[in-house]
Amino acid sequence: GQQVMQIPQYQHVQEGEDFTTYCNSSTTLSNIQWYKQRPGGHPVFLIQLVKSGEVKKQKRLTFQFGEAKKNSSLHITATQTTDVGTYFCAAYGGSQGNLIFGKGTKLSVKP
Amino acid sequence: SQTIHQWPATLVQPVGSPLSLECTVEGTSNPNLYWYRQAAGRGLQLLFYSVGIGQISSEVPQNLSASRPQDRQFILSSKKLLLSDSGFYLCAWTPLRGRVTEAFFGQGTRLTVV
Repeated sequence: GQQVMQIPQYQHVQEGEDFTTYCNSSTTLSNIQWYKQRPGGHPVFLIQLVKSGEVKKQKRLTFQFGEAKKNSSLHITATQTTDVGTYFCAAYGGSQGNLIFGKGTKLSVKP
Repeated sequence: SQTIHQWPATLVQPVGSPLSLECTVEGTSNPNLYWYRQAAGRGLQLLFYSVGIGQISSEVPQNLSASRPQDRQFILSSKKLLLSDSGFYLCAWTPLRGRVTEAFFGQGTRLTVV
């Protein structure tokens, strides 16, 4: 079945440094979603990208959808301790058309 | 507005005991429903997916089962828990259709099998 591969699995940064997580698929995606899960919490939707080459920003977060709609990235500028958590990408396309999640990138920020 | 309820929040069960986790959704009709499991520090493993009453797709063969007796109710069960069933269980729903079909998660159940 379709898979979305996400890298890196872990990322440790100093506060103020930038952070990027990448999501890749072997097949073309209709759209891609990004979620954030705070420690001890549940995943919360951040954004959905639909168009080829789309770029969206939410304050210090920049989301990109590749031109071929097979990859996406989430970039955080000048990380803060509040950015700590696991970031997941997700796309529809399982055997039943269900939502498939990447394995996530766990971000830790050292103050 | 739509809400999703999942309970209990935490659960400690002995090996070999049964399990029943319940998830209900309010404020929407015909949701797609999911059960995920998350081991400590790991990703989301899809366990079951349902597109309607009585329609369950199992993604990973295991010691668990799921049922959807009502449109907005999704139940995760086990007859005999194993130590390896410990984890963080998350229920989620997505709209049947819409421009943005994001997933809404319940608060999760942290299950420890001892």
